Amino acid sequence: QKEVEQDPGPLSVPEGAIVSLNCTYSNSAFQYFMWYRQYSRKGPELLMYTYSSGNKEDGRFTAQVDKSSKYISLFIRDSQPSDSATYLCAIYRYSSASKIIFGSGTRLSIRP
Amino acid sequence: DADVTQTPRNRITKTGKRIMLECSQTKGHDRMYWYRQDPGLGLRLIYYSFDVKDINKGEISDGYSVSRQAQAKFSLSLESAIPNQTALYFCATSDGQGVNQPQHFGDGTRLSIL
Repeated sequence: QKEVEQDPGPLSVPEGAIVSLNCTYSNSAFQYFMWYRQYSRKGPELLMYTYSSGNKEDGRFTAQVDKSSKYISLFIRDSQPSDSATYLCAIYRYSSASKIIFGSGTRLSIRP
Repeated sequence: DADVTQTPRNRITKTGKRIMLECSQTKGHDRMYWYRQDPGLGLRLIYYSFDVKDINKGEISDGYSVSRQAQAKFSLSLESAIPNQTALYFCATSDGQGVNQPQHFGDGTRLSIL
């Protein structure tokens, strides 16, 4: 079983829609949860991170974590064509040799 | 100029050839990483280095080697390339450990092994 699972999509929605992107993870020891955005022919860039259950908001983006069900979500409000990208969830557990584990990414397209 | 620069951006080569992918950074970070990205598999860690004298294997290091020539330079070698090493390769850097020390990625090298 993969440590983090993510629906690859693709997901296509009209401009202005609310987008929901989701991941599940298997190990309850993971403490930190991140979302990276990757534009075509570019490297991933960190969008948001959180370490607790609940919501964290940053502009049009909201990251949500439910540790009891091992489920993480990213919501995008008022989606724009410029949000079209691949979104990767990532999980992390702090230790001396800790590494980030990435999901496979969901490709999102916002139609004008 | 990009903070993390990868060369080449694209490479097509034949099975059995030796390939070197190079990464240089101007961010002054001690930590550097090499990942490969495959459809459906996400980013997987090949090797990482926490400083010039520190090299560590990631989850998929077989068939690869690395060299940390300086704080700013970290190269990845495929000694004898095989077709299943066809992938998108990314170099990344970070200033420390933890989510508040995010990894900064280059724009990748698209490698095709025929």
